Amino acid sequence: AQSVTQLGSHVSVSEGALVLLRCNYSSSVPPYLFWYVQYPNQGLQLLLKYTSAATLVKGINGFEAEFKKSETSFHLTKPSAHMSDAAEYFCAGKTSYDKVIFGPGTSLSVIP
Amino acid sequence: DGGITQSPKYLFRKEGQNVTLSCEQNLNHDAMYWYRQDPGQGLRLIYYSQIVNDFQKGDIAEGYSVSREKKESFPLTVTSAQKNPTAFYLCASSISDRSPSTEAFFGQGTRLTVV
Repeated sequence: AQSVTQLGSHVSVSEGALVLLRCNYSSSVPPYLFWYVQYPNQGLQLLLKYTSAATLVKGINGFEAEFKKSETSFHLTKPSAHMSDAAEYFCAGKTSYDKVIFGPGTSLSVIP
Repeated sequence: DGGITQSPKYLFRKEGQNVTLSCEQNLNHDAMYWYRQDPGQGLRLIYYSQIVNDFQKGDIAEGYSVSREKKESFPLTVTSAQKNPTAFYLCASSISDRSPSTEAFFGQGTRLTVV
């Protein structure tokens, strides 16, 4: 069975600083991996997804993530944080055999 | 515009009452899902449906029921047997549950509060 973990339930960064949100997965088969963003009292919106075509994936709003098989990681980054990036971020994984599994989420705060 | 519509956005229920949350999609997706979200616990799968007239229990199905009579609709009933129903409920759909590379699309959620 697969699992998805996110290190850090809450991350704070200054406006203009690098954003790094961590995601690790465990899976016996190659996974498909996703990052979603959720603003307060709203549904989840897809930021980007990894489907094995390229290890570095670019998404919306300037975010990108790199799949590292050796580290079983899929960390989300953005070079310069904006106030509008403050939200909850979820990493998710899915294989051909399992339902999609969501990580517990990381709340991102951006300090002006 | 294609998307998923959940209604109502806010719902209040008295203890002992059943309530039904609506979820409609016009994306022509085969698979639909219901998740429950509690603070600090991420999303937990309640029920999912891969095709019309078929659905399976997720991780926390007790106290909930669903139906899938039409491709576009997947209503969730929170029964009186659900002991702690206050939560944020999210409906989602995807093209097919058997296509692992396809992402899920989410509705805006329904916040249910027991009063």
